[in-house]
Amino acid sequence: GAGVSQTPSNKVTEKGKYVELRCDPISGHTALYWYRQSLGQGPEFLIYFQGTGAADDSGLPNDRFFAVRPEGSVSTLKIQRTERGDSAMYLCASSFSVNTGELFFGEGSRLTVL
Amino acid sequence: GEDVEQSLFLSVREGDSSVINCTYTDSSSTYLYWYKQEPGAGLQLLTYIFSNMDMKQDQRLTVLLNKKDKHLSLRIADTQTGDSAIYFCAEGNSGYALNFGKGTSLLVTP
Repeated sequence: GAGVSQTPSNKVTEKGKYVELRCDPISGHTALYWYRQSLGQGPEFLIYFQGTGAADDSGLPNDRFFAVRPEGSVSTLKIQRTERGDSAMYLCASSFSVNTGELFFGEGSRLTVL
Repeated sequence: GEDVEQSLFLSVREGDSSVINCTYTDSSSTYLYWYKQEPGAGLQLLTYIFSNMDMKQDQRLTVLLNKKDKHLSLRIADTQTGDSAIYFCAEGNSGYALNFGKGTSLLVTP
């Protein structure tokens, strides 16, 4: 596609529910990243994939968060037993190369946990 | 993590130059970046500079890096109303786990 596509754009859920956020990267980009941006803050790194494998998941806040990229393209960020503190904008980005930080970001998925 | 600090707001008149400043603490940063975020749009990379450079110019944008003071600035010449956005400074040494500041909201008035 022309850019990084994220769905849904908005998700409202109740505390304790399970949520999946999807990211479709730019075609041909092998690296994919998830960031989280809380209101009034800059994006915070969560996890990075090179191909199908998670090369660095050190930014995931706890074991309720998990991400997959089974075929090296689309990725899904999964959040179990959501908490109100998980409310944020979840940003996905992709790139050709991991070396220079030239990340192409999607518009994000806004998650609200009531 | 390491800190990246930016002033939160800047207001300039159309046609003037804007200077957005950033300080960082990680002396091992290899790359330093400026990203732009407009309402309803994804973050967009404006420019980046390697830590072994002290200046980079790209059309209306000039990036200055003072590595000794860990200070980065972005100058936008002839600022236009379309430049109104949030500008994020970021640093990294891995190329993927970027450390962002909180962003500077730039308001350009006619």
